Amino acid sequence: GESVGLHLPTLSVQEGDNSIINCAYSNSASDYFIWYKQESGKGPQFIIDIRSNMDKRQGQRVTVLLNKTVKHLSLQIAATQPGDSAVYFCAENNAGANSKLTFGKGITLSVRP
Amino acid sequence: DGGITQSPKYLFRKEGQNVTLSCEQNLNHDAMYWYRQDPGQGLRLIYYSQIVNDFQKGDIAEGYSVSREKKESFPLTVTSAQKNPTAFYLCASSKIWAGETQYFGPGTRLLVL
Repeated sequence: GESVGLHLPTLSVQEGDNSIINCAYSNSASDYFIWYKQESGKGPQFIIDIRSNMDKRQGQRVTVLLNKTVKHLSLQIAATQPGDSAVYFCAENNAGANSKLTFGKGITLSVRP
Repeated sequence: DGGITQSPKYLFRKEGQNVTLSCEQNLNHDAMYWYRQDPGQGLRLIYYSQIVNDFQKGDIAEGYSVSREKKESFPLTVTSAQKNPTAFYLCASSKIWAGETQYFGPGTRLLVL
């Protein structure tokens, strides 16, 4: 698989390979994180979430890893398929009186057949 | 079939015209949100509502207005004061305010004639 930070716009992977999408967050008080997938012309779709009391959470073909020490979040997609092609972005939430989700700009995942 | 609906899918605005974007949810969520998405940028919060009959300005509220008279509905009006309204508008809802997943509608694309 390939790893790339959200400061790069595109990640290209071969169908069947694993994909790793990384996200660096800045607020050490953030306690809840979400990964979304957005296909062209559609609204973002929830993929998986994780709270700060966990380091890892698995879903169907996806795994989210949280490293609070370095404020880093990653999304791993196993056996990437053409239908996984989309923009992926992370969001962080700092629970509190005025908490709002802060969204990253997103990265385009392109799956080569 | 529960979810969030937005209408219309495409909307055209003439100079000096106010237009209203519809957002309805049947998820029984207390909190609702409006975001603006521009190419290559993250989602920016326009307005949010933690509970019915209450709403707050987000980061880019100028030129927009909202109402929350019913729990299920959170319409957004783009006024003539918004000088650059062309964008993809996304409505979202969450069970409660703060620390919860936001679920998004399909979006409305607003274009200026």
